[in-house]
Amino acid sequence: GAVVSQHPSRVICKSGTSVKIECRSLDFQATTMFWYRQFPKQSLMLMATSNEGSKATYEQGVEKDKFLINHASLTLSTLTVTSAHPEDSSFYICSARGGTGSGNQPQHFGDGTRLSIL
Amino acid sequence: AQTVTQSQPEMSVQEAETVTLSCTYDTSENNYYLFWYKQPPSRQMILVIRQEAYKQQNATENRFSVNFQKAAKSFSLKISDSQLGDTAMYFCAFMKHAGAGSYQLTFGKGTKLSVIP
Repeated sequence: GAVVSQHPSRVICKSGTSVKIECRSLDFQATTMFWYRQFPKQSLMLMATSNEGSKATYEQGVEKDKFLINHASLTLSTLTVTSAHPEDSSFYICSARGGTGSGNQPQHFGDGTRLSIL
Repeated sequence: AQTVTQSQPEMSVQEAETVTLSCTYDTSENNYYLFWYKQPPSRQMILVIRQEAYKQQNATENRFSVNFQKAAKSFSLKISDSQLGDTAMYFCAFMKHAGAGSYQLTFGKGTKLSVIP
């Protein structure tokens, strides 16, 4: 089946550091990629949606200058947390869908990245 | 805006027994999709089952089946012959057309299911 690879799985870094998370679709072309944030024991919160070659659409309350999303190709999207602070510590999950115009395409998830800012 | 409600934060079931997880949603859309995802302790999101709103027949996947009541906006998940590996968080999700050919998932808050040996 379709596989979405997310890297790294775990990041621990100092406050003020910028962190880049990669999300790759391994065996399909992901026309749309999604980035979610999940706090402990809570649901997934959609941060932004990105279509290949165009700017990401951010959800209300998500700082686009803080969370930079790039979807430069049909198989790769990146999320960069700029100047990360302890409150940015969370579990980040990417997801990808192929095809356009059809909701029948399933959404495949990466394994997530646990980000810890000291 | 769409909302998805899972009214059972936690549930438990004896191994080999049957359990039903509840989910209701609110939408003004007529065409949409519903999903159940499983998130085990490994945190990976796994698609369990999905249902197209235009289909009246309830979806089934082996031990997993749904009871889709469109008029009542209800989408419950039944797990038969529960196994220890079914222990996980279960998220109900709604997907609608978000314009320009894109689709967006909205998740419920989840139900933590524990299967007891």
